[in-house]
Amino acid sequence: GESVGLHLPTLSVQEGDNSIINCAYSNSASDYFIWYKQESGKGPQFIIDIRSNMDKRQGQRVTVLLNKTVKHLSLQIAATQPGDSAVYFCAESGATNKLIFGTGTLLAVQP
Amino acid sequence: DTGVSQDPRHKITKRGQNVTFRCDPISEHNRLYWYRQTLGQGPEFLTYFQNEAQLEKSRLLSDRFSAERPKGSFSTLEIQRTEQGDSAMYLCASSPLPGLNTEAFFGQGTRLTVV
Repeated sequence: GESVGLHLPTLSVQEGDNSIINCAYSNSASDYFIWYKQESGKGPQFIIDIRSNMDKRQGQRVTVLLNKTVKHLSLQIAATQPGDSAVYFCAESGATNKLIFGTGTLLAVQP
Repeated sequence: DTGVSQDPRHKITKRGQNVTFRCDPISEHNRLYWYRQTLGQGPEFLTYFQNEAQLEKSRLLSDRFSAERPKGSFSTLEIQRTEQGDSAMYLCASSPLPGLNTEAFFGQGTRLTVV
C-alpha cells in the first residue's frame, strides 16, 4: 500500500499515552483553524476546529489549543489508540474558507 | 452515503492524454473546493466555487487545467495533455455556508498516475 507518511515528522507513542501534535501556521490574518486526520489512501477527515476568538476547544478525547501570539496550534489526543495512527494536518483559513494546510505529522501508535 | 463523492477513485493515463474527474459535493453545500496532494505533502489549494461561480484559482492551476460547476451542484476537473508531474491525489471538498467559518468535508480523492 501507499505510505502517506514518507518524509513527514513522526510522533511515536505507546497505546494509552497522550499525544501532542504541534503546528505553526503562517498567516496572522487567519481566523479559523482545523485539524484533519488522514489515513493512507483516504481523504482528510475533520477532527476538531477552533476560531481565533478562542484559545482552547475540547472534543471527545481531543483538545485543540491556539496561541495567536506565536501562531501556534496544537492537537492533544487523550488515551491514544491504534486507530488513531494516521497523518495529522493542521489547516488555517480566512473569509473564503480556502484551507492552507501544514506539512503534516505522522502519528504511530505502538500497541 | 451523503458525503462528498469523487469518481473515479483511481486513474492511470498515458502522458499527453486528457483526463476528467468528477466531484459530487454534499447536497446543498454552496462551496466546492479542489485540492491536489502529492505523497508526503499536505493538500494544496487549486480552485473553489461558490454555487456555479469560480471565485478563485491558484497559480498552481496551469492553462491545462480547467474546472467547472455548471449547475452549482457537481463539479468536474479536466487536465489536458497530462504530464508526469500531474501525478497526484486530487481531492474535492465542500462546505455549507458562504462567509462563515465552517469545516470543509473532503471526498476520498482521485489518484491520478501519468505514465
